[in-house]
Amino acid sequence: QKEVEQNSGPLSVPEGAIASLNCTYSDRGSQSFFWYRQYSGKSPELIMFIYSNGDKEDGRFTAQLNKASQYVSLLIRDSQPSDSATYLCAVNKNSGGSNYKLTFGKGTLLTVNP
Amino acid sequence: DTGVSQNPRHKITKRGQNVTFRCDPISEHNRLYWYRQTLGQGPEFLTYFQNEAQLEKSRLLSDRFSAERPKGSFSTLEIQRTEQGDSAMYLCASSLVRDTFFYEQYFGPGTRLTVT
Repeated sequence: QKEVEQNSGPLSVPEGAIASLNCTYSDRGSQSFFWYRQYSGKSPELIMFIYSNGDKEDGRFTAQLNKASQYVSLLIRDSQPSDSATYLCAVNKNSGGSNYKLTFGKGTLLTVNP
Repeated sequence: DTGVSQNPRHKITKRGQNVTFRCDPISEHNRLYWYRQTLGQGPEFLTYFQNEAQLEKSRLLSDRFSAERPKGSFSTLEIQRTEQGDSAMYLCASSLVRDTFFYEQYFGPGTRLTVT
């Protein structure tokens, strides 16, 4: 079982729709969860982080965390063509040495069609 | 610009040559991380520093790789005797850790290495 799993996509949505991106993780000790956006050829850009169960909203973005189900998601409301990118889910495993390294999924490619 | 910076942005080298990359973290951040990303994959952890101390190295970091952070500020990553399999984007990130609380990691623009 992969540590962090995401559907590779592509996920295609029309402009103005809600895009829903999902991520599951295997380590129940995971404590912090992050969503990064990565445009082609660029580095990852942090867009959301969540530490507690429930929802966290920031503008058009909502992160949802369910630790019991080991599931984290990102909703993008009113999707814009500029949201077209790969979305990386990352998990912090505080594994004994407290190194706080991030473990990433492979990312989901989102395409927003005008 | 107060973000993480990396130099060079691109490096093309011949197999067998040595290369060195530099990372300057966000100034108040005490943690610095190196990751490697290949096409179609998420970034993979290589190593990290708390101030000037290198505290963990991934098994991905073979003996040909060495990283330093001499004064707890900038860091360098050196690859000796490069191989074609080293071709990747090398990403640096920094964060603040204080009183066991972990703050978010911010990435630099990366150094894209191509080994011919």
